[in-house]
Amino acid sequence: DVKVTQSSRYLVKRTGEKVFLECVQDMDHENMFWYRQDPGLGLRLIYFSYDVKMKEKGDIPEGYSVSREKKERFSLILESASTNQTSMYLCASRPEGRGETQYFGPGTRLLVL
Amino acid sequence: TQLLEQSPQFLSIQEGENLTVYCNSSSVFSSLQWYRQEPGEGPVLLVTVVTGGEVKKLKRLTFQFGDARKDSSLHITAAQTGDTGLYLCAGLYNNNDMRFGAGTRLTVKP
Repeated sequence: DVKVTQSSRYLVKRTGEKVFLECVQDMDHENMFWYRQDPGLGLRLIYFSYDVKMKEKGDIPEGYSVSREKKERFSLILESASTNQTSMYLCASRPEGRGETQYFGPGTRLLVL
Repeated sequence: TQLLEQSPQFLSIQEGENLTVYCNSSSVFSSLQWYRQEPGEGPVLLVTVVTGGEVKKLKRLTFQFGDARKDSSLHITAAQTGDTGLYLCAGLYNNNDMRFGAGTRLTVKP
């Protein structure tokens, strides 16, 4: 079974703190993604990576950065957390190919106070 | 505006009823996926469809991909309370750009 794991299920941070969200996949997938999910807005793509050390901005990259030093690991960094970054963060991975499935982690619910 | 429009946004039905939810776009997908997500969890894949006109069945769930690969539907027969959740469709564009609809939140009441 494909497994995508996220480092925390729940996090509470203070405004201005630096926040690291880690994601690990065990299926050697090339592509990895970070989304945030908010009620009524669906899943919005923050950043994605199609290879080690490669990263591409998604639709809402502002206030975020990412790191992919190893193929299996994709980290999302909030340099200075703000209250509007309170959200559910979902990591996903997918191999190359037209009909390939995208697999999600369980999500990290982040609350910024 | 969403690239993928899902309808209805909310649906509340009694156990045993049938329902259909829709996913529409003006663009052509390389493939389309349906997910179900429960509160506090990540989306879980239900099905991937690739060929225009394709129909896939998963027990009481029937998935159809439009002939032009721009739309899809999910039909549930004799809904059960365990079907409650957020149903998301996701279309793959240009072979590597996956876009999600906002979802249909289904509640099945006993």
